[in-house]
Amino acid sequence: GDSVTQMEGPVTLSEEAFLTINCTYTATGYPSLFWYVQYPGEGLQLLLKATKADDKGSNKGFEATYRKETTSFHLEKGSVQVSDSAVYFCALSPNLNTGFQKLVFGTGTRLLVSP
Amino acid sequence: EAGVTQFPSHSVIEKGQTVTLRCDPISGHDNLYWYRRVMGKEIKFLLHFVKESKQDESGMPNNRFLAERTGGTYSTLKVQPAELEDSGVYFCASSPTGQYENIQYFGAGTRLSVL
Repeated sequence: GDSVTQMEGPVTLSEEAFLTINCTYTATGYPSLFWYVQYPGEGLQLLLKATKADDKGSNKGFEATYRKETTSFHLEKGSVQVSDSAVYFCALSPNLNTGFQKLVFGTGTRLLVSP
Repeated sequence: EAGVTQFPSHSVIEKGQTVTLRCDPISGHDNLYWYRRVMGKEIKFLLHFVKESKQDESGMPNNRFLAERTGGTYSTLKVQPAELEDSGVYFCASSPTGQYENIQYFGAGTRLSVL
C-alpha cells in the first residue's frame, strides 16, 4: 500500500542554519504531495503542496520539489528561525482517479531551533 | 471564517469507560475525516464521511469505535469501552467537494489518555 517515510527527529539547529527534512514515498500512480506543520498547541496546517512531477511547492521560505524519479519530496529552508520550531509531517494523497481521498502521513519530524 | 474545531482538547479516562469526541468542520465542507496519531507514530486515517454517509471506514481499528455524522454537519467519534492502546491524539479534518488538490483543513486535535 501507499506509504511515506521521513527522517526521524528531533532535528536541532541554530537560528539561520540551513534545513533539510527528507521525505520519500511509495505510491501507485501520481499522488499529490504535502507538507503539514504543527506548531506547539495548534492543529496541523498545510505548509506547501505539489500535485505533479517537478512541481515546486513553496511557502514562508520553505520549499519542496516533487521528484518522481527518486520518489522524494524533501523539505528545505535556507535560514531557519526560532519560530519555525514545530513538528513537520510529509503526506501524500493517492491519485484521485482511484476515488480515495485519505491522506497518508509520515511519522513527523520535530524541529528545534535555538537562538 | 471559523476553522475546524474539536472538543474536548484533552480527555483522561480509565480503561473500560466511554468517551465521545466531537468535531465541527468548516461550514459547507461535505468531506469530514478522522485520523489518529498514537505515541509519536504516523498519523493514521480512520474514516471519511461525505455529508452524512461513510465513504471509507477502512481505518477504524475495531468495533469499539463508532463514528456518526448526523445531518452532515458535526461528527462524533465514540470509543466504548476504551482500552489503553486507544490513547493518542485524534484529529479531525474537513474539505470541500470538487477540489482536485485534496487540501484538508485540520483541527487542533483531542488528546485522549486512557489509564
